[in-house]
Amino acid sequence: GQSLEQPSEVTAVEGAIVQINCTYQTSGFYGLSWYQQHDGGAPTFLSYNALDGLEETGRFSSFLSRSDSYGYLLLQELQMKDSASYFCAGGDTGGGNKLTFGTGTQLKVEL
Amino acid sequence: DAGVIQSPRHEVTEMGQEVTLRCKPISGHNSLFWYRQTMMRGLELLIYFNNNVPIDDSGMPEDRFSAKMPNASFSTLKIQPSEPRDSAVYFCASTTARGVSGNTIYFGEGSWLTVV
Repeated sequence: GQSLEQPSEVTAVEGAIVQINCTYQTSGFYGLSWYQQHDGGAPTFLSYNALDGLEETGRFSSFLSRSDSYGYLLLQELQMKDSASYFCAGGDTGGGNKLTFGTGTQLKVEL
Repeated sequence: DAGVIQSPRHEVTEMGQEVTLRCKPISGHNSLFWYRQTMMRGLELLIYFNNNVPIDDSGMPEDRFSAKMPNASFSTLKIQPSEPRDSAVYFCASTTARGVSGNTIYFGEGSWLTVV
């Protein structure tokens, strides 16, 4: 099984850079994904790391270190619309397409 | 393209009643998931199917919950009898085989269930 831990809440100001961390304990880890969920909405895919290193997608970047069982999501040039919950999710080599989601981090962007 | 379609979007029911949630995955996707989300427990995987076959139902909380996938374009999650602690948002999600897009799964808008 897998468990993924995240900080429960992060607050930052508009225009700033924020990092949301994710540590995991797992057997058969297959890669780390990040999802965004606005209040009342569905989770939507942001980024995926199959290998160690940094993946960049516009203002968002995601990093994975398998040796440290650790990853993070980096959001740059924060905008008010980035206020949402962010979830890391671990894939499982033994579970087909199974994804286990982390505890979630609520990001509040302030003026 | 239509995304994952769930119904009903909202349901309020009385304790003891049967609840059936429905899901139509994205056409061509061969994996389907049912997740439950609550404030206390976060996003929990209840069950998932590959090619219409249940692969892992270890997340189904108890025998009151059951899920079926009679064909590639339809799945149901049934709760009978329902209890107030079943109140949650139930998400259906689907994806294609891994390797095309990593672990990207596509969620429906959710079914908001309230049991009173």
